[in-house]
Amino acid sequence: KAGVTQTPRYLIKTRGQQVTLSCSPISGHRSVSWYQQTPGQGLQFLFEYFSETQRNKGNFPGRFSGRQFSNSRSEMNVSTLELGDSALYLCASRYPGTRDTGELFFGEGSRLTVL
Amino acid sequence: AQSVTQLDSHVSVSEGTPVLLRCNYSSSYSPSLFWYVQHPNKGLQLLLKYTSAATLVKGINGFEAEFKKSETSFHLTKPSAHMSDAAEYFCVVSESSGTYKYIFGTGTRLKVLA
Repeated sequence: KAGVTQTPRYLIKTRGQQVTLSCSPISGHRSVSWYQQTPGQGLQFLFEYFSETQRNKGNFPGRFSGRQFSNSRSEMNVSTLELGDSALYLCASRYPGTRDTGELFFGEGSRLTVL
Repeated sequence: AQSVTQLDSHVSVSEGTPVLLRCNYSSSYSPSLFWYVQHPNKGLQLLLKYTSAATLVKGINGFEAEFKKSETSFHLTKPSAHMSDAAEYFCVVSESSGTYKYIFGTGTRLKVLA
C-alpha cells in the first residue's frame, strides 16, 4: 500500500511568487490535512479537507489556501510568498470511518525556501 | 481547550540506557494521545497511541507510554536506547469528538551518545 506522497520535495522561490504543493493520500483516506513546520514555531495546523470540503482551518492568512479533488488528492497554494513562509510543509491523511483510530499518516514533506 | 507541553526540548542519553520523554496535556474531553517520531528531513511516523483503552500503551521499536489521568501526563519511555532512536519526538493530543483536531507539542530532540 503506497504511503502519502508529496510533490515536489524541495523547491526554491523568491519573494512575491506563488507556489502550489501537492499531496496524494493513502488510497481510501478521504481526510487530508496540511501542517507548516518551522524551527521557531514548530508544527502548525493549516487546514483539513474531507470529501472536497474544508473542515477545519488554522490561524494563517488568506495567502494560504487549499483544495481537495474528487480523488482525495489535495493541493495547497501560497501566494505572494514572504521570507517567513520558508518551511517544511507536511501533508497527512486519515481514514475517517468506523475503523478510524485517529492516526495521521504523514508524507515526507515539501521543503520550501523563499529567497 | 486542548494543549500539550513537552517538558524537555532536548534529551541526551547514552546508548543502552533508559529513555524518558515527558509530556503533559490539557483537554476538556476524553483525549486521544499520540507520540510521533521524526527523523531528519522525513515526515512523522506514529510510535503509539492512547484512545481510552489500556492506560499502558506499547508501540513500535520498544517504546511505551503510560496515560495518567490524575497527573495529566503521557510520558514516553524505552528501557534501552539505540543509536537509531536519535530523532525528534512529538506528543500530540486530540479530542475525538467527531472531527479530530490535533495539537502538537513543540518536540523533544533525543540525542543518543555512543
